[in-house]
Amino acid sequence: EAQVTQNPRYLITVTGKKLTVTCSQNMNHEYMSWYRQDPGLGLRQIYYSMNVEVTDKGDVPEGYKVSRKEKRNFPLILESPSPNQTSLYFCASRGRQSPLHFGNGTRLTVT
Amino acid sequence: AQSVTQPDIHITVSEGASLELRCNYSYGATPYLFWYVQSPGQGLQLLLKYFSGDTLVQGIKGFEAEFKRSQSSFNLRKPSVHWSDAAEYFCAVVTQGGSEKLVFGKGTKLTVNP
Repeated sequence: EAQVTQNPRYLITVTGKKLTVTCSQNMNHEYMSWYRQDPGLGLRQIYYSMNVEVTDKGDVPEGYKVSRKEKRNFPLILESPSPNQTSLYFCASRGRQSPLHFGNGTRLTVT
Repeated sequence: AQSVTQPDIHITVSEGASLELRCNYSYGATPYLFWYVQSPGQGLQLLLKYFSGDTLVQGIKGFEAEFKRSQSSFNLRKPSVHWSDAAEYFCAVVTQGGSEKLVFGKGTKLTVNP
């Protein structure tokens, strides 16, 4: 089954404790992206990647890092999480001229 | 920069009534347009897309949308709403070329009354 898999689904952590949210797709898509969703703000792009070893900032990249060492994986790294990064995060991927496929989301709470 | 506006934050309709969710975009060239639906606690599911050709596109779950270039609109419609359609709906546009970033509207929450 074609899918985008994010882990974990829920995560509660404390300020400053490094964390990684994993994202994997099995559709051989070149393009992958991370979004955060906040009430009243909709979905905002954090980072995206056009291909392996090619990443670029989206609209709200501050406080986040990504890497794209393999085509299927696109982890999101928070080196020092802060409470304002409490949000619902979505990973997505797509092929050329095709719609985005979304993962089921990761709800992160930073206390 | 491209943008997407969904003027209605929240819409309430009765089951069986017709539905139209509005979406306006700002982009110079012909965009790729999408509607996604998000049920509570779920990810986003694609309802339909417009790339080119026929301006009236059919999607899943009985939804359709019409691209109107003159009005820069891509409104979503359904003739008869079901209780299971209660969700949040997002319009999105992707620019062609370059980063091909997908830009979302802020969403319209749909409530369906029995």
